[in-house]
Amino acid sequence: DTGVSQDPRHKITKRGQNVTFRCDPISEHNRLYWYRQTLGQGPEFLTYFQNEAQLEKSRLLSDRFSAERPKGSFSTLEIQRTEQGDSAMYLCASSLGQGDNSPLHFGNGTRLTVT
Amino acid sequence: AQSVTQPDIHITVSEGASLELRCNYSYGATPYLFWYVQSPGQGLQLLLKYFSGDTLVQGIKGFEAEFKRSQSSFNLRKPSVHWSDAAEYFCAVATTGGGNKLTFGTGTQLKVEL
Repeated sequence: DTGVSQDPRHKITKRGQNVTFRCDPISEHNRLYWYRQTLGQGPEFLTYFQNEAQLEKSRLLSDRFSAERPKGSFSTLEIQRTEQGDSAMYLCASSLGQGDNSPLHFGNGTRLTVT
Repeated sequence: AQSVTQPDIHITVSEGASLELRCNYSYGATPYLFWYVQSPGQGLQLLLKYFSGDTLVQGIKGFEAEFKRSQSSFNLRKPSVHWSDAAEYFCAVATTGGGNKLTFGTGTQLKVEL
């Protein structure tokens, strides 16, 4: 169990630029989640995949955000035309199973700063 | 919709003292409840979880939590705090049929005085 891996750990970008983050879940985990955490807040759900299917997207995920999990393994989260309000920690998590009580395993996150 | 309230934003305790972090949830049915801990710049680590059965659950690092349906609470406790417990603690709820999405509270920042 190598854990959930996220890359990069930190990203600084200028407003209007596009950024892409990568998440590698625990290898046998079929579910993958993206969360966003701003300073002083708990993580907020963005979207999740079961295998390669994106099953739900939060209303927080504007049309500038897109997530993919093309082969049911790693996932990418892209933000187009970044805004200062996008500055946050982006957390990826994975879990195993079909039920609603499989614990989520989180990565260390990607901290995005938009200047 | 479900929600989680952690009324204490900051708590300071002395090393060796007991600890209780409060968590209240709002959900119509029996929820799945979790406590996670986050150290600065890190992801979240699962401390313990409640699904059903015994309402007192044991977790890692000497933590325990008690589910009280009548109070809609799931408070986290530790009998003797260590300096390394200083971190931010998050309570979360997952709803049945919800794809195991978690709704988190705003967190409690724990400071431990030596």
